[in-house]
Amino acid sequence: DTAVSQTPKYLVTQMGNDKSIKCEQNLGHDTMYWYKQDSKKFLKIMFSYNNKELIINETVPNRFSPKSPDKAHLNLHINSLELGDSAVYFCASSQDPGAQGWMTFGSGTRLTVV
Amino acid sequence: QKEVEQDPGPLSVPEGAIVSLNCTYSNSAFQYFMWYRQYSRKGPELLMYTYSSGNKEDGRFTAQVDKSSKYISLFIRDSQPSDSATYLCAMSSYNQGGKLIFGQGTELSVKP
Repeated sequence: DTAVSQTPKYLVTQMGNDKSIKCEQNLGHDTMYWYKQDSKKFLKIMFSYNNKELIINETVPNRFSPKSPDKAHLNLHINSLELGDSAVYFCASSQDPGAQGWMTFGSGTRLTVV
Repeated sequence: QKEVEQDPGPLSVPEGAIVSLNCTYSNSAFQYFMWYRQYSRKGPELLMYTYSSGNKEDGRFTAQVDKSSKYISLFIRDSQPSDSATYLCAMSSYNQGGKLIFGQGTELSVKP
């Protein structure tokens, strides 16, 4: 049973399209995150939700909108996709915001914008 | 200047070698220090976790934190081909909502 699962694993789409990535965790954690990993493997936080409430919102274009329907799910919707959005997007979860690094990551969604 | 600096490598060593991976950082508020391992096409997995300064050992892995020098290290003894992966250091400070600041990652290859 996968602890943090993301769908789809691969996403190839044209510039200007809108796409969504879904994430689910079955660990019973309260906090979920979206991280972006660029082509140089640099991993940077985008958003964090604790029990459906947004607690971290980094400097991310407002074309990116997270949604947490319940504490086990955190989806990422991206409008008007641009070439620079191509990256691997990782969902992660932790027991609570104070877990300070005890995170479980999903396997990632590799997004390619053409 | 990035908050966390890590030599991206790649680093290639023969099986059985001792590997030393390092990160430096600039933010003195960091108190929690982690090493994540990422295999190709997989998500990062937590390998070592240290609070504040000191050493921590787990099997073949030893993590060291020197807060006075703002320097952390991961040592791998008797390296194995299965250790071939990208190693990412990560740090956080208290009350930051779990926000981790990652280094760029060092790609390690252990040759049989």
